[in-house]
Parts: sequence; C-alpha cells; structure tokens
Amino acid sequence: GENVEQHPSTLSVQEGDSAVIKCTYSDSASNYFPWYKQELGKGPQLIIDIRSNVGEKKDQRIAVTLNKTAKHFSLHITETQPEDSAVYFCAATTRRGSTLGRLYFGRGTQLTVWP
Amino acid sequence: KAGVTQTPRYLIKTRGQQVTLSCSPISGHRSVSWYQQTPGQGLQFLFEYFSETQRNKGNFPGRFSGRQFSNSRSEMNVSTLELGDSALYLCASSRGTSGVETQYFGPGTRLLVL
Repeated sequence: GENVEQHPSTLSVQEGDSAVIKCTYSDSASNYFPWYKQELGKGPQLIIDIRSNVGEKKDQRIAVTLNKTAKHFSLHITETQPEDSAVYFCAATTRRGSTLGRLYFGRGTQLTVWP
Repeated sequence: KAGVTQTPRYLIKTRGQQVTLSCSPISGHRSVSWYQQTPGQGLQFLFEYFSETQRNKGNFPGRFSGRQFSNSRSEMNVSTLELGDSALYLCASSRGTSGVETQYFGPGTRLLVL
C-alpha cells in the first residue's frame, strides 16, 4: 500500500516567519493530497487539499505544492501566528474501483509558533 | 450544517471488556471511515462503510468490527479489549458519491483500557 513520510516531526518558528512541512509518497497512483490540522483534544480539521492535476494551490496564508514526478508535496504557512500552533498531518489517497480511498497519513509535525 | 459527531467522547474500560462507539456523519454524507490514532502508530485506517456495506478494511484483528445503518450513522465495536487498544478513535464522513472526496473528521472518542 501507500507509504507517506513527513518531515520534520517538530518545527519551531517565530511569529511572522514562514513554516514549511514536507511529505513524500510512494504510490504513483495517489491522486488526492489533503492537509489536516489537529489541535489538542480535537479531531483533525482539513485546512487545504490538492489534486494530482494541480501543481499548486493557495488559500490566504496557506499554500500547498505538489511535484508528481518526485512524488512529494509541501505545506507552506506564511506570516505564522501563535494560533497556528498545532500538529499538522499530510495524507495521500487513491481512488481505485468502488473504493473511495482510505487516507494514508504521515506521522505529523508539531508546529510551535513563538510570540 | 452540523459537523461529524461522535459519542461518547471519553471511555474507560478494563481488559477483556467490549466497547461500542458511535458516529453520526454530516447530513447528506453516506460514507463513514474509522481511524485509530495512537502516539506510537499515528493515524491508522480501520474500515470504511458506504450504504451499509463495508467497502474497505485496514489491517486490524477481527476484534474490531463496524456497521452502518440506513441513516448513515455508524458504530464500531471492539471486543476483548487489550491495553494496546487505548487510543483516540476518529470517524470521518464524506459524501461518498463519486471520485476522491474530502473527508471531514469528528472530535473522536478517547478510549482508555486499564
């Protein structure tokens, strides 16, 4: 099955700086790549996603890039704020036949933004 | 629109007992997936249900089972609980109609096995 690796496992930045989290995947058939943010005591919340027919997607301070050839995708957060502090997960999935696609998750990145 | 709801939010059980967790998807969503989250293994897929049928299953023992009702609500059951079953159990819903779709997660049920 799919194998998703995520780096770094922890990331500390100063408020206002940018943060970048990188993920690689193994299955070239994967075609959907969501990013989730999980705050303490809560379930993962989708923050942005990208499909394999798009190279980049941006939503205000958050952007995701996808390189299908290299099989890696990255999350970029600009102008970080203390409320961005959370664990971020990347995921990958593929639709095959009638299966909608189980999500394969990376191990998560604990992002801490210092004021 | 209300999000995914899971009940109960917290559970304490002892080894050997069984437990049933419930998930109500977003209105109109017909697909429900379950995931186990632990510090050691991260987020792992348990199973997915669509129209009351299990469509996909992860690599968990048969002690883990689930079902989906006609109103799309889902339950998962864990029998003969082990200490290692302590985890956050997350439910995610999606429309389930076609293609690859966004999955929306609930807050989870925190299970502690003593």
